Amino acid sequence: AQTVTQSQPEMSVQEAETVTLSCTYDTSESDYYLFWYKQPPSRQMILVIRQEAYKQQNATENRFSVNFQKAAKSFSLKISDSQLGDAAMYFCAYRSLYNNNDMRFGAGTRLTVKP
Amino acid sequence: DSGVTQTPKHLITATGQRVTLRCSPRSGDLSVYWYQQSLDQGLQFLIQYYNGEERAKGNILERFSAQQFPDLHSELNLSSLELGDSALYFCASSVTGSMNTEAFFGQGTRLTVV
Repeated sequence: AQTVTQSQPEMSVQEAETVTLSCTYDTSESDYYLFWYKQPPSRQMILVIRQEAYKQQNATENRFSVNFQKAAKSFSLKISDSQLGDAAMYFCAYRSLYNNNDMRFGAGTRLTVKP
Repeated sequence: DSGVTQTPKHLITATGQRVTLRCSPRSGDLSVYWYQQSLDQGLQFLIQYYNGEERAKGNILERFSAQQFPDLHSELNLSSLELGDSALYFCASSVTGSMNTEAFFGQGTRLTVV
């Protein structure tokens, strides 16, 4: 089964600065989807960004971008110009295209933004 | 609003009891996933249904069971509840097949076992 690892339980960033959250995954599949979800204190799961494995170009969504390294099975999230509202738990997720579209999540990284 | 509805939002019950959590997926979504999130923990995949059939099982206890009905809503049944079952239970739905998208999450049911 695919596993997703987030090695940083907690991260902290100063407002307006940049932070990178790490995620690695283990799979034998060649095609899949990767996601970053944000979970603010409200506990709602909000999609931040997605990446299709067959695309070499890194996905970007405004201040959020990823560094997708397929060979290294790495999928990090970069948040630029951090805002207080970015404070949340961030989950990396892997979605299989083959295994019943199974979706697996990492343990999460708690991001604190300091004013 | 994700379009996924979970009821109830909060549930408090005693050890040894049985509860049912309900999930209505987004219109048109055939896949439903259930996840458990203990306090400040990650998401543990429990089970997935697709169009009424069980498709994948994760770390789901034998005391727990689920089903998906013909109208595609799903229920998660938790029995012989223990204190450690206290958690946030999320339901998510998605389109499956070639149209792979993210899973859309409900707001969760917070279960407290006392």
